[in-house]
Amino acid sequence: NAGVTQTPKFRILKIGQSMTLQCAQDMNHNYMYWYRQDPGMGLKLIYYSVGAGITDKGEVPNGYNVSRSTTEDFPLRLELAAPSQTSVYFCASSYQLSYEQYFGPGTRLTVT
Amino acid sequence: AQSVTQLGSHVSVSEGALVLLRCNYSSSVPPYLFWYVQYPNQGLQLLLKYTSAATLVKGINGFEAEFKKSETSFHLTKPSAHMSDAAEYFCAVSADNRKLIWGLGTSLAVNP
Repeated sequence: NAGVTQTPKFRILKIGQSMTLQCAQDMNHNYMYWYRQDPGMGLKLIYYSVGAGITDKGEVPNGYNVSRSTTEDFPLRLELAAPSQTSVYFCASSYQLSYEQYFGPGTRLTVT
Repeated sequence: AQSVTQLGSHVSVSEGALVLLRCNYSSSVPPYLFWYVQYPNQGLQLLLKYTSAATLVKGINGFEAEFKKSETSFHLTKPSAHMSDAAEYFCAVSADNRKLIWGLGTSLAVNP
């Protein structure tokens, strides 16, 4: 099993550009999550999904969008990139909402 | 509501010394508790978890944690630190089929 995979690993965006961060898992988990991690700030939940077609906002959803058309994939969309979105983004999945989460390797995004 | 507090954002130990990373939680119902490790430029990896079985939980790489209900604590320990233990450590709590709540992390430095 590959577990949770994320692409790309690194990306530099100009202000106002758009991009999609890809996330996929092969563990048949219903629950998937997007976090951002900034130095000293821990993990902040952006969006999560409890199954295909169902998503909900986390703590910091502004400036992001998600979709979940399949159990395996949970892409994160940045529509108009801003410097405040410079961060490391992690995707995770779990079997149940309160169970352990499995993380991808992350995407390091810089917006200049 | 649940919450988790990690005492000490930075901990420094000498190689071979005891590692003690502190985590206190708040939960009105029996919690699940987790410790994760994040090595530089990597995603988070589960170290160990408590899910209401034995109160002393053993994890990977020689780490263990003890659930103490009376103290609402779940401190992480390792008898003898190794240089390879230098990383960021995160404590998380969940309960009542709710999402994981994350601590802000503790950065562990191991000095030769």
